[in-house]
Amino acid sequence: QKEVEQDPGPLSVPEGAIVSLNCTYSNSAFQYFMWYRQYSRKGPELLMYTYSSGNKEDGRFTAQVDKSSKYISLFIRDSQPSDSATYLCAMYSSNTGKLIFGQGTTLQVKP
Amino acid sequence: AAGVIQSPRHLIKEKRETATLKCYPIPRHDTVYWYQQGPGQDPQFLISFYEKMQSDKGSIPDRFSAQQFSDYHSELNMSSLELGDSALYFCASSLVMGGLGDEQFFGPGTRLTVL
Repeated sequence: QKEVEQDPGPLSVPEGAIVSLNCTYSNSAFQYFMWYRQYSRKGPELLMYTYSSGNKEDGRFTAQVDKSSKYISLFIRDSQPSDSATYLCAMYSSNTGKLIFGQGTTLQVKP
Repeated sequence: AAGVIQSPRHLIKEKRETATLKCYPIPRHDTVYWYQQGPGQDPQFLISFYEKMQSDKGSIPDRFSAQQFSDYHSELNMSSLELGDSALYFCASSLVMGGLGDEQFFGPGTRLTVL
């Protein structure tokens, strides 16, 4: 079993829809939780990160962490065609200094 | 703002050849990470360096080696290349290893194709 599990999709939604992306993890040592966005043939770009349970909002994006359930989510409101990309969740433990990625969810927002 | 630079951006090699990938971290960043991302796969951590010393090792094959130089740039050396080594290789850099909110900035990647 992988330490971080993410539904690979693909996910296709109409413009303006609310998108929900999710990851589960098994290692309770993870302290920091990140979401990366990766456009085709580009490097991952950090979108949001948090280190506590609860919600963190940044514009149209909301990151949610539930440590008790070992579950994290990224919500995208009013989705735009420019949001079409692969979204990777990632977990970080300062004990190891390693970033463990989920498999990535491919999102397509149709105009 | 300066970003992580990787070279070359594309590399084509034949089986059993060697390849060297280079990474130039963001100025003042002291930690470098290497990741391998196969087609349709998530990035897999290979190895990291802090202050020119290897700090952690992931799923890096014995055929690969890496080092960080005095100017903090890093090179990933790959020998006896196999078809399965074809992937996108990302380098990331950060300022303080293990620090609060340690943010890794990724380079654009080197796409290696082994024929």
